[in-house]
Amino acid sequence: AQKVTQAQTEISVVEKEDVTLDCVYETRDTTYYLFWYKQPPSGELVFLIRRNSFDEQNEISGRYSWNFQKSTSSFNFTITASQVVDSAVYFCALSEGAQKLVFGQGTRLTINP
Amino acid sequence: DAGITQSPRHKVTETGTPVTLRCHQTENHRYMYWYRQDPGHGLRLIHYSYGVKDTDKGEVSDGYSVSRSKTEDFLLTLESATSSQTSVYFCATRLAGDTQETQYFGPGTRLLVL
Repeated sequence: AQKVTQAQTEISVVEKEDVTLDCVYETRDTTYYLFWYKQPPSGELVFLIRRNSFDEQNEISGRYSWNFQKSTSSFNFTITASQVVDSAVYFCALSEGAQKLVFGQGTRLTINP
Repeated sequence: DAGITQSPRHKVTETGTPVTLRCHQTENHRYMYWYRQDPGHGLRLIHYSYGVKDTDKGEVSDGYSVSRSKTEDFLLTLESATSSQTSVYFCATRLAGDTQETQYFGPGTRLLVL
């Protein structure tokens, strides 16, 4: 069965610090997709990034970067120079075939001013 | 992002009453999903639809039924609500042929069963 583990339940840092959110996944599929979603205090789920299993190239988008390593089954998310607006719950998810997402438990990130 | 709305956004009901949640999308996405979000569990799939009148069960389908009579609407019904169904419910859609398989989510419905 597919599984996503986000071992960090809560993280609290001071503004401008860098922070990394860990995501470890399990799957038997050779083709799969990995995602990160952000859930701000307002409650909606915002899509951040997707990665397919054939593309291990890291990605950077502004202050956000993602490190995908198949060798360790990890898809970690780093926020550089964190800001208060980054405070949210972040979910890592794995696509199981074409039908559903398997989510991790989420990491609550608090950025303190 | 798909234009996804959910109604109602908040609902309080009593144990044993039927409840129907509606998901409406304007983007003609083929796939639609219902998830529930509970502390410590992330989001879990309840049911999904891969076309009009085509639905299937997800991980936590017991106590729920769904219907999809037209592309834009996907209804989730709790036949007889229980306190364990108190949760936040999210609808999501995905465009058929989207090889990147991204699901986009609605704003959520907060349901309290007393």
